[in-house]
Amino acid sequence: ILNVEQSPQSLHVQEGDSTNFTCSFPSSNFYALHWYRWETAKSPEALFVMTLNGDEKKKGRISATLNTKEGYSYLYIKGSQPEDSATYLCAFSSGTYKYIFGTGTRLKVLA
Amino acid sequence: EPEVTQTPSHQVTQMGQEVILRCVPISNHLYFYWYRQILGQKVEFLVSFYNNEISEKSEIFDDQFSVERPDGSNFTLKIRSTKLEDSAMYFCASSGWRDYEQYFGPGTRLTVT
Repeated sequence: ILNVEQSPQSLHVQEGDSTNFTCSFPSSNFYALHWYRWETAKSPEALFVMTLNGDEKKKGRISATLNTKEGYSYLYIKGSQPEDSATYLCAFSSGTYKYIFGTGTRLKVLA
Repeated sequence: EPEVTQTPSHQVTQMGQEVILRCVPISNHLYFYWYRQILGQKVEFLVSFYNNEISEKSEIFDDQFSVERPDGSNFTLKIRSTKLEDSAMYFCASSGWRDYEQYFGPGTRLTVT
């Protein structure tokens, strides 16, 4: 059974702090990893799609890295702002059209 | 900015009834997906659809579920005989190509009583 784990489950940071969280996935049969940002009462918003080992992607203050050999991806947020408060989800694809989601990391940025 | 829309936003139905959840994907997208999230649990993949046929389906997507793209714009999920455990938020998503960014709709909350 393929499993995707995210850690931590939740965290609180102060405004201006930088933070990071992890998505762990099976290292065999990797095809793609998606990161989403999901605000309460909204729908998941795509952040990154990562496909190559060593990929680094950046969007504003948010960036992500990918290590397919060891089966993990990190999401970094630099200088967290209250509007970054959301749940961050990752989803793994093994080359089929099927996606397995992690439980998410719930981030709360305190002003 | 183009967006995925879903109707209804909330559907209440009795156990054993059929429901159809509707989605209008982004118009030039080719890949379509249904996901669900039971309250307090992970988002679960149900089915992916490309070129008018199912590409992949999960173990959840049994004979009670079906999908259709009846008119080239709508993408529907039908549950033939709903069960209490089908109560969840159902999300539709679309993407321009396989493993491009997926754009999610706002979801339909299905409550089975």
